[in-house]
Amino acid sequence: EIVMTQSPATLSVSPGERATLSCRASQSVSSNLAWYHQKPGQAPRLLIYGASTRATGIPARFSGSASGTEFTLTISSLQSEDFAVYYCQQYNNWPQTFGQGTKVEIK
Amino acid sequence: EVQLLESGGGSVQPGGSLRLSCAASGFTFSSYGMSWVRQAPGKGLEWVSANSGSGETTYYADSVKGRFTISRDNSKNTLYLQMNSLRAEDTAVYYCAKASGYSSGRSEYWGQGTLVIVSS
Repeated sequence: EIVMTQSPATLSVSPGERATLSCRASQSVSSNLAWYHQKPGQAPRLLIYGASTRATGIPARFSGSASGTEFTLTISSLQSEDFAVYYCQQYNNWPQTFGQGTKVEIK
Repeated sequence: EVQLLESGGGSVQPGGSLRLSCAASGFTFSSYGMSWVRQAPGKGLEWVSANSGSGETTYYADSVKGRFTISRDNSKNTLYLQMNSLRAEDTAVYYCAKASGYSSGRSEYWGQGTLVIVSS
């Protein structure tokens, strides 16, 4: 099973600031990496797939990048609606696996 | 518009069974793989099971293998998860999700979830 490790566990950011979230895979997942965010009481929502492609309707302030088995989600200027928990997921191998999540909270 | 509506959750004693359903609309159901993902209270996401568009190919997490069975009825646009021998650690919100491809891929759309509580 591929283990996905996210860091940090919690990120405290002020509105308007930049947030950088990391996700590391224990082995290659090619570019089959997705990012989701989840607000309290809601289902997860797809943000990024293919490591760097924004899903339909996702604002341009969200961007994804990859370097080997290291993946990064960047939110260029945090808006109030962006404070949530973010998960990465690899869908290259079965079982598909999620990271443990990064909580982005208001500083 | 893609819509996924889960049902069938509830409270059950350890060792019991439940069958979850996920009614899909807004896309050609038989052309896409589907998954179940769960989230224990206050915890992260855990992928549980998936199947291909025809339902012939199935995948399971080790934690549920031999106890849960995923299936689908393409004539009814409905996905199922039969859960047997339930344990306290199966307590979670269960989400169904539509895959981006016939047998795999990212989870593009998610339902709102159904809560399963396993407790005596």
